[in-house]
Amino acid sequence: ETGVTQTPRHLVMGMTNKKSLKCEQHLGHNAMYWYKQSAKKPLELMFVYSLEERVENNSVPSRFSPECPNSSHLFLHLHTLQPEDSALYLCASSQDLRARGNTIYFGEGSWLTVV
Amino acid sequence: EDKVVQSPLSLVVHEGDTVTLNCSYEVTNFRSLLWYKQEKKAPTFLFMLTSSGIEKKSGRLSSILDKKELFSILNITATQTGDSAVYLCEAVGGGTSYGKLTFGQGTILTVHP
Repeated sequence: ETGVTQTPRHLVMGMTNKKSLKCEQHLGHNAMYWYKQSAKKPLELMFVYSLEERVENNSVPSRFSPECPNSSHLFLHLHTLQPEDSALYLCASSQDLRARGNTIYFGEGSWLTVV
Repeated sequence: EDKVVQSPLSLVVHEGDTVTLNCSYEVTNFRSLLWYKQEKKAPTFLFMLTSSGIEKKSGRLSSILDKKELFSILNITATQTGDSAVYLCEAVGGGTSYGKLTFGQGTILTVHP
């Protein structure tokens, strides 16, 4: 138990579906992140939120839409995805932004398969 | 462009062996380097290194950073099958308020009994 909970753990969706991934952190952290982990590729940072404000969108296609309603919750809304978007999506949180020397805590991840 | 390269990409050893994993980095305004262990689930934090030459140690694991040569090593002594995992290295650079975050591709370690 890392204090960061992601649901669902597994998701299969068609290319025309709309679905959402949910992340909740119970650590009282101020910063939250979405990462994508594909086979044989490094972890890719997608979005960074600090105090519910998006501070980075790392050139992510608009078919991925993040939402941070409060500092404990982070969503990733998915719409008209492509098969190459199939990956493990990891949510993470840190006490403050990483430039200030904070370590990061990852959730268990959501395995997404786009068919 | 910031870059983190880990080597080897995979490693197979037997229990009791000692392994050394390497991580080289090129990042702008380097702040810190972190090591994680990932076993089919969330990566878990191992070490954060900010200063050269100061070894961080936790049980059989230790790590050190060389800011002049831009690399870090992670040592695991007396390996056990439970050490089998992907080991990830991350470099945190500056230039933005949140830190420029770059992961290496990971080293897959397999420890046989």
